[in-house]
Amino acid sequence: GAGVSQSPRYKVAKRGQDVALRCDPISGHVSLFWYQQALGQGPEFLTYFQNEAQLDKSGLPSDRFFAERPEGSVSTLKIQRTQQEDSAVYLCASSFKGQAQETQYFGPGTRLLVL
Amino acid sequence: GDSVTQMEGPVTLSEEAFLTINCTYTATGYPSLFWYVQYPGEGLQLLLKATKADDKGSNKGFEATYRKETTSFHLEKGSVQVSDSAVYFCALQDIQGGSEKLVFGKGTKLTVNP
Repeated sequence: GAGVSQSPRYKVAKRGQDVALRCDPISGHVSLFWYQQALGQGPEFLTYFQNEAQLDKSGLPSDRFFAERPEGSVSTLKIQRTQQEDSAVYLCASSFKGQAQETQYFGPGTRLLVL
Repeated sequence: GDSVTQMEGPVTLSEEAFLTINCTYTATGYPSLFWYVQYPGEGLQLLLKATKADDKGSNKGFEATYRKETTSFHLEKGSVQVSDSAVYFCALQDIQGGSEKLVFGKGTKLTVNP
């Protein structure tokens, strides 16, 4: 079946603009994760959901970052008043039952460039 | 907090050479350990995993053994191919820390020349 999809694949924003990044997880997957990957670095955790509940948002770098998953499927990561340091690839991942040791399946990412 | 340290890259090898990429971790609990790979132009995908001490994960000729005594999970392959050229990430998941999140190392870029 289809994997995790993300849109847009590329986004250029002017500093101060708001952006919204979308993630479509694999159908039926309970858990959904957002990671931020700066150039040349490993992914860093931002937040995750089990169904519609946001269980951990400890990685969100500031209150400009907000994520939601209102119906327990598609998720949106919103960044308000973007700054240059927000430039990165934003990765979404999903897993089936939300249990320990399960494989997280990653999408292709959204590359955000803030000018 | 939990962390993962990988050997610095880039690593350049000739085809059929032996590969080792070192990975050590720090965790408050008893984590599961993973290697993910990112091929050029593609997304992250799981390569192998191990969930308890002395477990060996293996896939596509790659192996890694969970060593609790040395807090390590080194990736090895006996004979690399050009198609193994990619960025490799070591990661841990520490459920006892209260979250399913993955904690990644910085990645090691491998280039295999024919």
